[in-house]
Amino acid sequence: DTAVSQTPKYLVTQMGNDKSIKCEQNLGHDTMYWYKQDSKKFLKIMFSYNNKELIINETVPNRFSPKSPDKAHLNLHINSLELGDSAVYFCASSQDATDTQYFGPGTRLTVL
Amino acid sequence: TQLLEQSPQFLSIQEGENLTVYCNSSSVFSSLQWYRQEPGEGPVLLVTVVTGGEVKKLKRLTFQFGDARKDSSLHITAAQPGDTGLYLCAGARSGGGADGLTFGKGTHLIIQP
Repeated sequence: DTAVSQTPKYLVTQMGNDKSIKCEQNLGHDTMYWYKQDSKKFLKIMFSYNNKELIINETVPNRFSPKSPDKAHLNLHINSLELGDSAVYFCASSQDATDTQYFGPGTRLTVL
Repeated sequence: TQLLEQSPQFLSIQEGENLTVYCNSSSVFSSLQWYRQEPGEGPVLLVTVVTGGEVKKLKRLTFQFGDARKDSSLHITAAQPGDTGLYLCAGARSGGGADGLTFGKGTHLIIQP
């Protein structure tokens, strides 16, 4: 069974479009995260959610919005996509903020 | 902002050689985790070190947490091609809290047969 799953695996879209990436974890964890990994493989946290509450939001444009319908899901919605949004986006979960993080397989977003 | 500096950023060595990767910070962390990421996949936890001075071994990999809990090292003995990957260190903020982990920029390791 996959612990943290993301869909889609690959996403190619035009500039200006709106897209969503879905994430689900079946580990019963309380905290979920979204990371962006750039072309140099630098992993930067974007959001974390704990019990449906946004805890941290690094300097991320407000075009990005996390949506958590329940504790097992944290989706990432992106409005008005820009070329610079091209990256691999990882979802992760952990029991609490300092515990082991379990990562999904990533979604490679390419904005043309 | 707590930063974790990893060195080297890139390392390519021959099979059988030994290597050490360093993770340094000016800040104290309550724990430090090492992850390994393979192409097309997400990072996977290798080990967590919690106590200053702690040493943990995972087969040919030896992890050490500095006495002051500001730095860590990963030593690989007799490297094998299967060790190739991106190695990431990540620090948990001292005192807990909900800020998650701070990741280093990673070390790209290539072991040539």
